[in-house]
Amino acid sequence: DQQVKQNSPSLSVQEGRISILNCDYTNSMFDYFLWYKKYPAEGPTFLISISSIKDKNEDGRFTVFLNKSAKHLSLHIVPSQPGDSAVYFCAASWASGTYKYIFGTGTRLKVLA
Amino acid sequence: EAGVAQSPRYKIIEKRQSVAFWCNPISGHATLYWYQQILGQGPKLLIQFQNNGVVDDSQLPKDRFSAERLKGVDSTLKIQPAKLEDSAVYLCASSFQTGGLGTQYFGPGTRLLVL
Repeated sequence: DQQVKQNSPSLSVQEGRISILNCDYTNSMFDYFLWYKKYPAEGPTFLISISSIKDKNEDGRFTVFLNKSAKHLSLHIVPSQPGDSAVYFCAASWASGTYKYIFGTGTRLKVLA
Repeated sequence: EAGVAQSPRYKIIEKRQSVAFWCNPISGHATLYWYQQILGQGPKLLIQFQNNGVVDDSQLPKDRFSAERLKGVDSTLKIQPAKLEDSAVYLCASSFQTGGLGTQYFGPGTRLLVL
């Protein structure tokens, strides 16, 4: 049972344009969401997070949007840069005694120069 | 600040052999996680420690996997005996906050291939 889904395994975007990565979840108990970026041969690195009490969080070129009614979140990268080329994972968690993170399968972003 | 250290980086073993992975978290981080990431999938939590106590091991295959975190610092994850389906990257992560909420910092992972 995949509770967190990233339906696009890959995405290609021109440098300078917007990258939009999507994530859907099924468990309405999730109340905290994160995005991680992963380069080859490295561990994932934290990018941005959002609590379920918000619908938007912004950090520089990165913005995460949360639509609770649709159980959907998205990561916008504007403008996209070649260094953004990586695999992006969304993760969701809920406070079931201790926070436990469920990761999606990842989307490989390629930013073309 | 030094990151999360893991060793070895790569390991190739035959099925039914045993293997151990080591993790040294960021200094002062109370919470430590072990994840299994199979090719094409996202990381799956195996076990979570808070200091040297286990807070979640519901997805750890306890018949073959074991983990410990002595003195609340370093941790080892062991597989005995290994199966073909254990081929994956094993990621260790740590977090400063207790209770699990907070940014997790990941190590580079150990890539295991079981033949």
